Amino acid sequence: EAGVTQSPTHLIKTRGQQVTLRCSPISGHTSVYWYQQALGLGLQFLLWYDEGEERNRGNFPPRFSGRQFPNYSSELNVNALELEDSALYLCASSSDAPRTFGSGTRLTVV
Amino acid sequence: QKEVEQDPGPLSVPEGAIVSLNCTYSNSAFQYFMWYRQYSRKGPELLMYTYSSGNKEDGRFTAQVDKSSKYISLFIRDSQPSDSATYLCATPNRDDKIIFGKGTRLHILP
Repeated sequence: EAGVTQSPTHLIKTRGQQVTLRCSPISGHTSVYWYQQALGLGLQFLLWYDEGEERNRGNFPPRFSGRQFPNYSSELNVNALELEDSALYLCASSSDAPRTFGSGTRLTVV
Repeated sequence: QKEVEQDPGPLSVPEGAIVSLNCTYSNSAFQYFMWYRQYSRKGPELLMYTYSSGNKEDGRFTAQVDKSSKYISLFIRDSQPSDSATYLCATPNRDDKIIFGKGTRLHILP
């Protein structure tokens, strides 16, 4: 069974640019979660999508947004990138409470 | 007070030793708990989860929950160098956001 896949694995952007990260959940999982893991801050919850709807949102500004497609894959969009957005962005999926994580996208903003 | 607290380490122990990793949590309403293992440059991998107080064993790993003192532990027996990773405890809050500890870095010395 394929796990959660994320793309790209690494990305370098400059301040002010926009970025789109992608996630494909495990087959059969309808929920997708996005987390940001910045150095020293641990895993911070960003967004939760289920059945195409945004169900919950963490304490992040509106320039962090996303969507979930009919096939349950998901995109995370970050506009007006700032240096502090540099982090590992992790996607997780679940059909129950424990989440299964992808390997993440390492975003560096310069 | 943070909802889930975890000593960041690093914790260095010799190969073969028993490892004890611990977290404390603040909300007695938390119902179940998870332990994730994260290798460098990878996403977190679910190790164990438990819904109740007491012990749950899986191979060399034992998860322990003490709800009276709001304390959760992960024990690793016969530790191996391949166990060197960051270990994160986690629990969902009432909004179903998974709250993660910041992780403990573990080094198993050959």
